[in-house]
Amino acid sequence: KQEVTQIPAALSVPEGENLVLNCSFTDSAIYNLQWFRQDPGKGLTSLLLIQSSQREQTSGRLNASLDKSSGRSTLYIAASQPGDSATYLCAVRVKTSYDKVIFGPGTSLSVIP
Amino acid sequence: GAVVSQHPSRVICKSGTSVKIECRSLDFQATTMFWYRQFPKKSLMLMATSNEGSKATYEQGVEKDKFLINHASLTLSTLTVTSAHPEDSSFYICSARTGMQNIQYFGAGTRLSVL
Repeated sequence: KQEVTQIPAALSVPEGENLVLNCSFTDSAIYNLQWFRQDPGKGLTSLLLIQSSQREQTSGRLNASLDKSSGRSTLYIAASQPGDSATYLCAVRVKTSYDKVIFGPGTSLSVIP
Repeated sequence: GAVVSQHPSRVICKSGTSVKIECRSLDFQATTMFWYRQFPKKSLMLMATSNEGSKATYEQGVEKDKFLINHASLTLSTLTVTSAHPEDSSFYICSARTGMQNIQYFGAGTRLSVL
């Protein structure tokens, strides 16, 4: 059974710092891994999607890496801004009969001005 | 990119009433749609998977008579919370996927509050 964990559960950093969020999954049989952002009381915003054959994806100040063999992904945020404050969720799409997407518990990020 | 529209975004209802949430794929045909529930300060939990024209597959612990899912067309799936109670208050999100694509597209979510 696929399990997805995220470390840390919460993170508070001063504005301008670079930071790394971690995601681990137990079963490497995945189609892809996706990072989302969720603002309080809001829905999901897709940030980056990495296919299982890829190693990383970049979008602006965000860089996500994937090491499928070790079951790990990282989300790197450069030069953090207060507007980056949100909960970040990683999710893996597993190779099952219904191709489920399993979410991690999220990392709550606060960027302090 | 593909757009999934979820409606309503927020609903407040009295205990005992039924609430219907719609999930529409606006510019693609969704052979499979998924319904998730998010408890406060928790991550999203898959409730059920629905394929167009067939019965939904529910995850363990999800009451199929409580959460009715209909996927009547390739662009619309509905989740009906029947006889809602305060413990059903939650954030519900749908996602949609085509048969060919390797990506799920998510709706913006519906916040249900049962008084």
